[in-house]
Amino acid sequence: KAGVTQTPRYLIKTRGQQVTLSCSPISGHRSVSWYQQTPGQGLQFLFEYFSETQRNKGNFPGRFSGRQFSNSRSEMNVSTLELGDSALYLCASSLVSGGAADTQYFGPGTRLTVL
Amino acid sequence: QKEVEQNSGPLSVPEGAIASLNCTYSDRGSQSFFWYRQYSGKSPELIMFIYSNGDKEDGRFTAQLNKASQYVSLLIRDSQPSDSATYLCAVTDRGQGAQKLVFGQGTRLTINP
Repeated sequence: KAGVTQTPRYLIKTRGQQVTLSCSPISGHRSVSWYQQTPGQGLQFLFEYFSETQRNKGNFPGRFSGRQFSNSRSEMNVSTLELGDSALYLCASSLVSGGAADTQYFGPGTRLTVL
Repeated sequence: QKEVEQNSGPLSVPEGAIASLNCTYSDRGSQSFFWYRQYSGKSPELIMFIYSNGDKEDGRFTAQLNKASQYVSLLIRDSQPSDSATYLCAVTDRGQGAQKLVFGQGTRLTINP
């Protein structure tokens, strides 16, 4: 089975721009979560989508948003980019909630650099 | 604020020895526990998950869970240089019906040949 895929793998943007990242989960997985990883803060939860609904959101400003499509693919958007948004953005998918299905599998990530 | 604590290391272990990685968590209601390995520049890769108190073994890896002490550990037997990586402990926060992993800062492990 193909793993989680993320596009693009690398992005360079300037402050004030916006960016959209894409994630395709493992086939059959319906939950998609997004995380931000930085050297200082580690891995932090952004939000989770299940059946096209955002079920929870981490402690990030409203500039960070996302959505999920009917085929479970997900996108996240960051508007008005700031230097501090430079990070590795990771998408993880899981089958459904509960028990072993909680296990999340990560994609390769998108490395965003804001200049 | 639910928290997961790990010793950031670096932890240096000779090749062939046992590496022991530890993690504590603050939410007594946590039910699912995960260990991920992350090589530099790569994304986290799942090593093991554990839900019940006690030990769970998978090859050279053993996860140990003690819910009373809110403690999770990972043992790596016969450590190899390829085990050199950062090991992330994660706990599921299922509040509000959502699925979210809370990660520790990670322990950097170096296996010395």
